[in-house]
Amino acid sequence: QKEVEQDPGPLSVPEGAIVSLNCTYSNSAFQYFMWYRQYSRKGPELLMYTYSSGNKEDGRFTAQVDKSSKYISLFIRDSQPSDSATYLCAMSRFQGGSEKLVFGKGTKLTVNP
Amino acid sequence: DARVTQTPRDKVTEMGQEVTMRCQPILGHNTVFWYRQTMMQGLELLAYFRNRAPLDDSGMPKDRFSAEMPDATLATLKIQPSEPRDSAVYFCASARPGGPGNEQFFGPGTRLTVL
Repeated sequence: QKEVEQDPGPLSVPEGAIVSLNCTYSNSAFQYFMWYRQYSRKGPELLMYTYSSGNKEDGRFTAQVDKSSKYISLFIRDSQPSDSATYLCAMSRFQGGSEKLVFGKGTKLTVNP
Repeated sequence: DARVTQTPRDKVTEMGQEVTMRCQPILGHNTVFWYRQTMMQGLELLAYFRNRAPLDDSGMPKDRFSAEMPDATLATLKIQPSEPRDSAVYFCASARPGGPGNEQFFGPGTRLTVL
């Protein structure tokens, strides 16, 4: 079993839809949870960062962590064509940009106008 | 606008040839990561350095891959000899000490095709 599992999709939704992206993980030592967004032929960019359990909201994006279930989610409200990208979850045991991350395989999202 | 740069952006080579990929991390970042991305495996960590010292290269096939940081502004990943299964996109990322969250800044990647 991989440490982090993520449904690769692809996921196709109409503009304005609410999108739900999810990851599960097996290592209970993970405490820091991230979502990266990767546009075609580009490197991933950090989108959201959360520590431990709970919700974090940033504009149209909400990240949710349920450590008891080892499950994290990213919700996108009022999705836009510009949100079309691959979304990768990532996790770490320790804080700090210089710490090793474990990534999910990514979910490819297309938002149709 | 500080960013990680990688060269070359695309590389097509024949099996058995040596391939060298280069990365310039963001100035002031002390940690450099090398990743490989494929459809099948996703993004895999190959190796990473902190203050130019290798910390972990357990993700790298040791017999053909090597990674170095000759100085703070240059990281290299070398494959010798290359094989078709090495075809992938190779990303370099850098991070700064004490940076907020766990943000890593990725370069644009080197798309390698081994024929």
